[in-house]
Amino acid sequence: QKEVEQNSGPLSVPEGAIASLNCTYSDRGSQSFFWYRQYSGKSPELIMFIYSNGDKEDGRFTAQLNKASQYVSLLIRDSQPSDSATYLCALGGSNYKLTFGKGTLLTVNP
Amino acid sequence: EAQVTQNPRYLITVTGKKLTVTCSQNMNHEYMSWYRQDPGLGLRQIYYSMNVEVTDKGDVPEGYKVSRKEKRNFPLILESPSPNQTSLYFCASRSQVTQYFGPGTRLLVL
Repeated sequence: QKEVEQNSGPLSVPEGAIASLNCTYSDRGSQSFFWYRQYSGKSPELIMFIYSNGDKEDGRFTAQLNKASQYVSLLIRDSQPSDSATYLCALGGSNYKLTFGKGTLLTVNP
Repeated sequence: EAQVTQNPRYLITVTGKKLTVTCSQNMNHEYMSWYRQDPGLGLRQIYYSMNVEVTDKGDVPEGYKVSRKEKRNFPLILESPSPNQTSLYFCASRSQVTQYFGPGTRLLVL
């Protein structure tokens, strides 16, 4: 069974800092990687997906994938209080199923 | 607007009283799934469907049923709910790159 481990958190950073969220996985066959943000009591929403080794940037967000080391990370630059949420890492395989980590709670302090 | 809808959003019921949570998507996606989310356990897949009349068990299917008679609808059925099914439930609909979640149904079984 696929396992997805996220840094346990909670993670607290000051406003304007870089928040770094990490995820390791066990299944080398995983082909796609996703980061979701979930505000308390709300449904998860997709922030980014990445398929290839390296970095992928979208605004203040950068996803980094290293398949050899089996980790994927999300960097949030210039963190804002509105970024305070739980961040979920998810893996996709050859079928359409996504396997989720338990999430990391991020708090950005003004 | 791409959307996944769920009803009801909140439900309090008693042990053994059959209930159905409806889910509908307007994106013509073939793949749909149900998750439950519990503190400390993260998002766990209950059932999924690859297309009309094609459904299969996820990671925690016990006590649940689903059906997929139309592409847009994927109801979750609890034939005899028990207190351990108290949880937050999400329906999801997926394309190749994006999974959309419904708003969630918070269920309390007394």
